[in-house]
Amino acid sequence: GENVEQHPSTLSVQEGDSAVIKCTYSDSASNYFPWYKQELGKRPQLIIDIRSNVGEKKDQRIAVTLNKTAKHFSLHITETQPEDSAVYFCASYSGGYQKVTFGTGTKLQVIP
Amino acid sequence: DAGITQSPRHKVTETGTPVTLRCHQTENHRYMYWYRQDPGHGLRLIHYSYGVKDTDKGEVSDGYSVSRSKTEDFLLTLESATSSQTSVYFCAISESVREGTQYFGPGTRLLVL
Repeated sequence: GENVEQHPSTLSVQEGDSAVIKCTYSDSASNYFPWYKQELGKRPQLIIDIRSNVGEKKDQRIAVTLNKTAKHFSLHITETQPEDSAVYFCASYSGGYQKVTFGTGTKLQVIP
Repeated sequence: DAGITQSPRHKVTETGTPVTLRCHQTENHRYMYWYRQDPGHGLRLIHYSYGVKDTDKGEVSDGYSVSRSKTEDFLLTLESATSSQTSVYFCAISESVREGTQYFGPGTRLLVL
């Protein structure tokens, strides 16, 4: 089955700095890559996603990049704010398995 | 938030007892999923459903069973709860497999003593 690795597991940044979280996947047939944010005690919520026919997607301070050849994708958060502090999960969707495989999560702490 | 509810939200039970968690949706989405979330493991798929009475196993299905008799309800049963099943359980729904986007319920925190 699909295997998704996510790094780093924890990340601390100063407010205003950028944060980058990286994920790799194993199934070359994977074609959809969502990112979820989970605040403490809350449910995971989709913040951005990218499909395999796109190399980059931006939404305000958040961007995701995809390198299909290397089978990795990354989440970029610019001008971080304290409310960005949360656990972020990457995921990979493989049509062959009809389900999403999640990374193990990155705990981001933004220090004011 | 999508129309997804989970019940109960919190439960404490004893080892060996059966437990059933319920996921209810009002979105009429075809696909429903049960995950467990544990520190260091992220979200792991237990079972999923691709239609009424159509279910399949995920990566951590041992000790769990599911049923889906109606589009809106997806039940997760722990036949004989063990301490290793102490976890936070999330239900998720998805409109289509090709779309892939999943929307999560609020979660159920289960403690097995």
